[in-house]
Amino acid sequence: AQTVTQSQPEMSVQEAETVTLSCTYDTSESDYYLFWYKQPPSRQMILVIRQEAYKQQNATENRFSVNFQKAAKSFSLKISDSQLGDAAMYFCAYRSANTGNQFYFGTGTSLTVIP
Amino acid sequence: DTEVTQTPKHLVMGMTNKKSLKCEQHMGHRAMYWYKQKAKKPPELMFVYSYEKLSINESVPSRFSPECPNSSLLNLHLHALQPEDSALYLCASSPRVDLNTEAFFGQGTRLTVV
Repeated sequence: AQTVTQSQPEMSVQEAETVTLSCTYDTSESDYYLFWYKQPPSRQMILVIRQEAYKQQNATENRFSVNFQKAAKSFSLKISDSQLGDAAMYFCAYRSANTGNQFYFGTGTSLTVIP
Repeated sequence: DTEVTQTPKHLVMGMTNKKSLKCEQHMGHRAMYWYKQKAKKPPELMFVYSYEKLSINESVPSRFSPECPNSSLLNLHLHALQPEDSALYLCASSPRVDLNTEAFFGQGTRLTVV
C-alpha cells in the first residue's frame, strides 16, 4: 500500500504570514492524484486543493498553492496571507489512478494561526 | 446540493445496544465510503460501496454492518460495540470509484460507547 508522510505534527503561523506544510509519499505508480484536506474543529473534511500527477504545473486555489515535486515524491502546501479561519488539521492524501477505491491519508499537521 | 449529511451528530450507546448511523447525499455520486477517525489521527477506511454494492471491506469486525439501500443513502448498523470503538465516523462520497475526483465528506457522527 502507498504511504503518505507528514513530518510536522504541529505548525504555527502569524496571521497574514505564509506557512508551508510538508508531505511526502511513497508509490511505484506513475499516475495518481494528490489532495490536501482541511479538518477544522467542526470536524468536516474540506478539500483545499488537488493535483494530478501527470500535470507539471502546480495547482493553485486563491491563497493556497502546492509545490509538487514528482521525482522527489513531495507535495507541500503553501498558505499565503494566513487567516484565523485557516486554523485546522491538514491532511495530505493520495489516490491511485489505477485502483482509485480509497484515499491514503497522512498523519496530519495541526496548524495554529496566531493573531 | 453539494452536501453529505450525517445523522446523528452525536451518539452515546451502551455495549449491548443496537444503533444505526445514517449518511445521505443527493449529488448523484455512485461511490460511498465509511471512515473511522480517532482523535488526532487520520481517517481509516472501513467500507466502500460502488453502485450500491460493497466493494471494499477493510477487515472490519462484524459488529459493524454497512448497508446501502439506494444510491443516495448509506447506513452503518452498530451492535455489541466495545469502548475502543468510540470515535468519529465519517461518511464520504465521490462520483464514481474509478473516477479520480476528490471525495466529499460529511461532518461525522461522534460515537461514544459506554
